[in-house]
Amino acid sequence: AQKVTQAQTEISVVEKEDVTLDCVYETRDTTYYLFWYKQPPSGELVFLIRRNSFDEQNEISGRYSWNFQKSTSSFNFTITASQVVDSAVYFCALSGNDYKLSFGAGTTVTVRA
Amino acid sequence: GAGVSQSPSNKVTEKGKDVELRCDPISGHTALYWYRQSLGQGLEFLIYFQGNSAPDKSGLPSDRFSAERTGGSVSTLTIQRTQQEDSAVYLCASSFRGSYGYTFGSGTRLTVV
Repeated sequence: AQKVTQAQTEISVVEKEDVTLDCVYETRDTTYYLFWYKQPPSGELVFLIRRNSFDEQNEISGRYSWNFQKSTSSFNFTITASQVVDSAVYFCALSGNDYKLSFGAGTTVTVRA
Repeated sequence: GAGVSQSPSNKVTEKGKDVELRCDPISGHTALYWYRQSLGQGLEFLIYFQGNSAPDKSGLPSDRFSAERTGGSVSTLTIQRTQQEDSAVYLCASSFRGSYGYTFGSGTRLTVV
């Protein structure tokens, strides 16, 4: 069975602070994919990033960066210099051989002006 | 179409009535998923269609829930004899061959009164 754990329920920051969202996963599959999605107050799920299990290279894309560590089964996500528009619920998700997405419970990020 | 289209966007129904929710995936996407998101909760997998294979129905919460996908494209999720606990946002996603990226629709907000 696959499991995704987002231990942080809510994070509140002041604009321009960095925000790091933790994600820990469990899977028996050797090939799997990890995702981060954003759900703003409007409700739609917005795809942010995807990583496969063979690619541990960490990258930066604009104000987003991620840290994938297979050894600790973690896939953390950072927003640098947060803005009010970053306020949303962020979901970490995993898909394995069965291609079904397993979601974490989500972390609500509130960025105050 | 350009994105995943779901209809209706909102549905209010009386307890005990049947409802049908529709999902029109991205053209060419072979995989289609239904998820449910109850208020303030994460996403719960319901059912997964991949090409002409038998659907994975392992997430359907009861036999009141069923789904079909006609012609490998449009899908309909049917809830019979709705209950108040069925109130949630029902999200549809499509993907090209599974884990290559999942695109979500805007969802149908179902309210059972």
